[in-house]
Amino acid sequence: DVQLVQSGAEVKKPGESLKISCQASGYNFASDWIGWVRQRPGKGLEWMGIIDPADSKTRYNPSFQGQVTISADKSINTAFLQWSSLKSSDTAMYYCARRAASTGHYYYYMDVWGRGTTVTVSS
Amino acid sequence: DIQMTQSPSSLSASVGDRVSFTCRANQTIINFLNWYQHKPGTAPKLLMYAASTLHGGVSSRFSGSGSGTDFTLTISDLQPDDFATYYCQQDFSIPFTFGPGTRVDL
Repeated sequence: DVQLVQSGAEVKKPGESLKISCQASGYNFASDWIGWVRQRPGKGLEWMGIIDPADSKTRYNPSFQGQVTISADKSINTAFLQWSSLKSSDTAMYYCARRAASTGHYYYYMDVWGRGTTVTVSS
Repeated sequence: DIQMTQSPSSLSASVGDRVSFTCRANQTIINFLNWYQHKPGTAPKLLMYAASTLHGGVSSRFSGSGSGTDFTLTISDLQPDDFATYYCQQDFSIPFTFGPGTRVDL
């Protein structure tokens, strides 16, 4: 089965750093981009950015550029989302998802999702 | 950035109803529009891509239409499992923004 397994819930203090992970299995990790999506408590989904695991090329939502870093290690089929200095406003659920393509690679969509990592930032 | 809006923000319905809700982009996205279903405590689920193409394994009670800037998701014969929040997402240009969602309540 194709799946994305995300790392466990985190509780951090403001100013701390954090790196969460998303491990893929059941498909060629390097063949599809991985995206990250944020959901703050009681709010909707926000598209943060994507990475091509084949060459670690990234594209960010300008709203998140400079606030987070997306990376990947194709040797362990894992994508990462990291913060160097967390804020309370980073408290949210974070999902990773595979950005797959339709036949012919014309349409793209997020077809496989991880179950999410809850990040709580509180003093 | 392309801004996505959805209406209504929530609606109440009963099992067996047919419901429709809309998604609008502030510029043309042709038909690069995906729909997702999201329930609390679970991962979002892809329903449809290319505005009207059902993703594999998704019930045919779901249908989508639209092109350009205006899109509609329709659920026929609403089932208990369909009560959720539905998000549209444009995949036309980065950032691939989501709409704010439509919550379907019992």
